[in-house]
Amino acid sequence: DAGVTQSPTHLIKTRGQQVTLRCSPKSGHDTVSWYQQALGQGPQFIFQYYEEEERQRGNFPDRFSGHQFPNYSSELNVNALLLGDSALYLCASSLGSHGYTFGSGTRLTVV
Amino acid sequence: EDQVTQSPEALRLQEGESSSLNCSYTVSGLRGLFWYRQDPGKGPEFLFTLYSAGEEKEKERLKATLTKKESFLHITAPKPEDSATYLCAVQAENYGQNFVFGPGTRLSVLP
Repeated sequence: DAGVTQSPTHLIKTRGQQVTLRCSPKSGHDTVSWYQQALGQGPQFIFQYYEEEERQRGNFPDRFSGHQFPNYSSELNVNALLLGDSALYLCASSLGSHGYTFGSGTRLTVV
Repeated sequence: EDQVTQSPEALRLQEGESSSLNCSYTVSGLRGLFWYRQDPGKGPEFLFTLYSAGEEKEKERLKATLTKKESFLHITAPKPEDSATYLCAVQAENYGQNFVFGPGTRLSVLP
């Protein structure tokens, strides 16, 4: 049983560029949440998607946007990248509010 | 302001030397307190969920306890493979279904 799959695993972008990160949830899960984890810190909640709608959002600017597809997979888009956006981006899937499972993340480096 | 703090920031133990990690929280309407283990470059791996003061859970060398203000993760006779960052997270009424994470404790167990 595949867990949460994230792609790509590593990414290097230049300031001002745009990036799209992808997440396939664990089989049977219908909810996807995205977190940003800066080096040496705990993950911070970005937003959560359920039934293709953004259900909840953390304290992140509008440069961060997302999407959920009918097959429950999700994308995180970040526009106008800043050096401070360099982090590990984690996707977590769940069935409603149960069974949160994290992926291994995408390491984004902005230069 | 709601927050989750963890101490110590880093802990170095000799193999077999038992110790405890602390997670203090100030949130209203706690729904659950979660402990995760995170290895370098990986996503958080679920360990325990605690829901009410006085609750305890055990898994191998780990035991988690919860009071109204804090949680402890006790590590008994640790082994080098227990080396990781241990994250504490809470779910609370003000935050819907998402987690508020602490900064983590980096544990190193030396052989």
